[in-house]
Amino acid sequence: TQLLEQSPQFLSIQEGENLTVYCNSSSVFSSLQWYRQEPGEGPVLLVTVVTGGEVKKLKRLTFQFGDARKDSSLHITAAQPGDTGLYLCAGERVRGYQKVTFGTGTKLQVIP
Amino acid sequence: NAGVTQTPKFRVLKTGQSMTLLCAQDMNHEYMYWYRQDPGMGLRLIHYSVGEGTTAKGEVPDGYNVSRLKKQNFLLGLESAAPSQTSVYFCASSYGQAQNIQYFGAGTRLSVL
Repeated sequence: TQLLEQSPQFLSIQEGENLTVYCNSSSVFSSLQWYRQEPGEGPVLLVTVVTGGEVKKLKRLTFQFGDARKDSSLHITAAQPGDTGLYLCAGERVRGYQKVTFGTGTKLQVIP
Repeated sequence: NAGVTQTPKFRVLKTGQSMTLLCAQDMNHEYMYWYRQDPGMGLRLIHYSVGEGTTAKGEVPDGYNVSRLKKQNFLLGLESAAPSQTSVYFCASSYGQAQNIQYFGAGTRLSVL
């Protein structure tokens, strides 16, 4: 059973466009992370959100944790080819439990 | 800085063969994990360890065994490989604090024919 569903699964856009990736669950998470994975590499952490309603910005990337801590979104403004990669959300069900559940992933391609 | 190193990077096995994947971390992390990544399914946890000498089952442990004899190393074994184990395997480690930031290796691509 996949606890975290991401949408869309694939996204191909032109450079300069905006996009939003969603991470949804019926379960509550104590924290939620977003990773980016480039081909041939392991995932690299982008951000962690902890508080319901929290918004974090990382340059052109905006991350939001849902008020009920069941969902999250990643918005990219003016996408660049360097944003191309697989975006994964990962939720920690119980704080300090030291296991996270990864989402299904969103593969983003930004065309120059 | 090496971080998390996985060996080998690629491997092709025949059904029924055995092999061991090695993961080494130089960050003195307490926690280590093995995941498999398949298209459309994200990362699924196979086994993990919360310290030297300890191991625990994750989401998809069947057909795999692990050992953590030294703090810096976490081994994943396939005793009798099956085509369903064709996947990309990732090792990760973390300090074991809240919010659990994991650091990943570059992966091992395994094909079982």
